[in-house]
Amino acid sequence: EAGVAQSPRYKIIEKRQSVAFWCNPISGHATLYWYQQILGQGPKLLIQFQNNGVVDDSQLPKDRFSAERLKGVDSTLKIQPAKLEDSAVYLCASSLGGANYNSPLHFGNGTRLTVT
Amino acid sequence: AQKITQTQPGMFVQEKEAVTLDCTYDTSDQSYGLFWYKQPSSGEMIFLIYQGSYDEQNATEGRYSLNFHKARKSANLVISASQLGDSAMYFCAMSHNQGGKLIFGQGTELSVKP
Repeated sequence: EAGVAQSPRYKIIEKRQSVAFWCNPISGHATLYWYQQILGQGPKLLIQFQNNGVVDDSQLPKDRFSAERLKGVDSTLKIQPAKLEDSAVYLCASSLGGANYNSPLHFGNGTRLTVT
Repeated sequence: AQKITQTQPGMFVQEKEAVTLDCTYDTSDQSYGLFWYKQPSSGEMIFLIYQGSYDEQNATEGRYSLNFHKARKSANLVISASQLGDSAMYFCAMSHNQGGKLIFGQGTELSVKP
């Protein structure tokens, strides 16, 4: 079974520029998550999709961050314009169990973003 | 509000010895799950073990076991017979029955000494 695919692996941009990250979840996984992990901290949820609908985006900075999951499979996360504090690893995860509390999340390798 | 607390920023253990990583949680939900993940320096998050709030027996997966004390709200990870490859960050996480998302602790960095 192929894992969660993310690209790019690394990205360096200047502040005020825009950037986009791509994620392809495990086949058949209905639920997709984007997490932000700042160095030295645990991952923090940005947004959760169930199929192509948003379940939770309460911690997404909507003035600069946007995400979509067209057709309920792939997803993109965009930042525009980027700030220095957006430097972090962006992790995509998917799960099989929908909104159940006992389904482990399977993570991709992440995209390491550096904003200069 | 739900919260996960990991009070050990860093831990050292001798190779082949056992080590316990602490995790306490706070929730008012009755139905929830507790997870442990390993994050090596390469960055990927690897699922290790799961414990449900209604599970009466402690979960085990190979060298990993989870000491679950519901009344104390603790879910400590025990790694037996540590190996050099166990050196990594370890995160405790909790889900609840509304949405399935995970809330993570701050992590514990484990270093295994030869």
